[in-house]
Amino acid sequence: QVQLVQSGAEVKKPGASVKVSCKASGYSFTSYGISWVRQAPGQGLEWMGWISAYNGNTNYAQKFQGRVTMTTDTSTSTTFMELRSLRSDDTAVYYCARNKKYDWFDPWGQGTLVTVSS
Amino acid sequence: QSVVTQPPSASGTPGQRVTISCSGSSSNIGSNTVNWYQQLPGTAPKLLIYSNTQRPSGVPDRFSGSKSGTSASLAISGLQSEDEAHYYCATWDDSLNGWVFGGGTKLTVL
Repeated sequence: QVQLVQSGAEVKKPGASVKVSCKASGYSFTSYGISWVRQAPGQGLEWMGWISAYNGNTNYAQKFQGRVTMTTDTSTSTTFMELRSLRSDDTAVYYCARNKKYDWFDPWGQGTLVTVSS
Repeated sequence: QSVVTQPPSASGTPGQRVTISCSGSSSNIGSNTVNWYQQLPGTAPKLLIYSNTQRPSGVPDRFSGSKSGTSASLAISGLQSEDEAHYYCATWDDSLNGWVFGGGTKLTVL
């Protein structure tokens, strides 16, 4: 079955960087892209950006431009999301989700909690 | 503040029909399709409706979606206690060149 499995929880200090991974299985990895969506505690969903697994093209939300980098490793069907210059308000659960750029997100990974605290 | 607006809460009794609205503008809902996601407590979101009206396999036909102009709606008929969750609409925004989510609606089954 189609599945996305994310890396484990992280605790970071303000100003640090975090890199979250998302390993895909059960489908042709390069036929889709991966979006990253985050959810702060008790808050709604926020789209961060998208990367094509076919050619590595990216489309970042303006809010995260310059602070986020998304990459893929086709040899392991894994996508990575790195967020730099972390602040306390970056504390959130980060989800990856499979999608073609203008299409729906399905399925979603289980989520990775990133806590930013001094 | 999201550019796509949902009511923060909705409620109904078992067996009732409830609807959740999603209001946007010409740059998002008005020119793109809408998808709906269900997020049960403590879990990742799950695709519920795609392309305005389509249900993925495994989603009960009690769930239906519609769109008109710059608004969309999710309807749940025959409400069940297991439907208690947060529901989010999402659509592409041409002006922002990215995906936007509604703020989410918490559905309570009384």
